[in-house]
Amino acid sequence: EADIYQTPRYLVIGTGKKITLECSQTMGHDKMYWYQQDPGMELHLIHYSYGVNSTEKGDLSSESTVSRIRTEHFPLTLESARPSHTSQYLCASSEYRGFDEQFFGPGTRLTVL
Amino acid sequence: AQSVTQPDIHITVSEGASLELRCNYSYGATPYLFWYVQSPGQGLQLLLKYFSGDTLVQGIKGFEAEFKRSQSSFNLRKPSVHWSDAAEYFCAVGASEGGANNLFFGTGTRLTVIP
Repeated sequence: EADIYQTPRYLVIGTGKKITLECSQTMGHDKMYWYQQDPGMELHLIHYSYGVNSTEKGDLSSESTVSRIRTEHFPLTLESARPSHTSQYLCASSEYRGFDEQFFGPGTRLTVL
Repeated sequence: AQSVTQPDIHITVSEGASLELRCNYSYGATPYLFWYVQSPGQGLQLLLKYFSGDTLVQGIKGFEAEFKRSQSSFNLRKPSVHWSDAAEYFCAVGASEGGANNLFFGTGTRLTVIP
């Protein structure tokens, strides 16, 4: 069973606040991803990482930032949340080999008022 | 550029009926194709994938998909739907860009199963 965790599951926050969405995996996967998911829209890759100290931007521009200090941990940060950041954020991980299966966390639903 | 089209936003089927969810892709090279399922409040789970070889791919939960290069399609099928299959289904294509192997998803098809 895939073990990838996201906290919080739901977050309602005011404009201008700094937030960090947590993602952890216990599978030892090198590659990790953050996707943004809006209703009726494609999942868009916003960040990914090949391993420790590696971070890359995805195909969708995002004002968020990520870090990868430990293999198992890939947090996403918004320095100043805005209503346009309201969305569902999904974290995933995979082996670092071609197109291996991605294992997804349950997601964080963020609402910025 | 790569893209995935899922033309059906929402499909309703009766329990026990057959199911086909459509997926068309656009990608210049040999595609790596995937179907994922997302149940409410959950992350995505891989149903099946196609890399090469036999164009009919078997997956989990009784699902299968057929790759048709001439039609640029990778439709998902199940002969008899169960109520627990109600979920959102995403087709994805794997693309290599700038050395990065990442997935590009369609907009999803929501499946409702009626008794």
